[in-house]
Amino acid sequence: DTEVTQTPKHLVMGMTNKKSLKCEQHMGHRAMYWYKQKAKKPPELMFVYSYEKLSINESVPSRFSPECPNSSLLNLHLHALQPEDSALYLCASSPRGQSSYNEQFFGPGTRLTVL
Amino acid sequence: TQLLEQSPQFLSIQEGENLTVYCNSSSVFSSLQWYRQEPGEGPVLLVTVVTGGEVKKLKRLTFQFGDARKDSSLHITAAQPGDTGLYLCAGEGYGGSQGNLIFGKGTKLSVKP
Repeated sequence: DTEVTQTPKHLVMGMTNKKSLKCEQHMGHRAMYWYKQKAKKPPELMFVYSYEKLSINESVPSRFSPECPNSSLLNLHLHALQPEDSALYLCASSPRGQSSYNEQFFGPGTRLTVL
Repeated sequence: TQLLEQSPQFLSIQEGENLTVYCNSSSVFSSLQWYRQEPGEGPVLLVTVVTGGEVKKLKRLTFQFGDARKDSSLHITAAQPGDTGLYLCAGEGYGGSQGNLIFGKGTKLSVKP
């Protein structure tokens, strides 16, 4: 199984809402990532979890809160977002630390629109 | 800071033509991945190259990693409309960036029938 799944596929939320994005993988990878991607741009790294611990936070605003409940699951909690946060949010996993190189496998993404 | 320059940014060709996309850097990468992305979908991993000078083929796609592991190319032979998409190269960095991917800006390919 080389699949990373993400739910929901689409999300529309107001600036006062609280919502969560979910990601799951069953490849036994111990590293998981959140990326943000704007139209016609490459993905921008937000967070990295390695062995369920947050190892990198790329200066992301606190209105984005990641959580890694176990080695297969990754959540991104959203609160008080701004319209400019509208983007495609991608989850990825990789065998970081388990392999000599670190190829990342991406999920299909959640298209987020903040009104 | 490691950067990856990808070119061209846009490419519009007719079905049956050949094309090459380039990724160049002044930095060495421990590995380099090529992805293809459809609009509204996540990037799909096409290939990972690891060894300097390595060449990998995937049907009509040929990937090459430079001898010094600073650059890579993707060549498509006899392009088809199904090849249309955004092609991204991503290098795995060393040191403080180890394990993280540095992405090129992407090449948006359009193949017209």
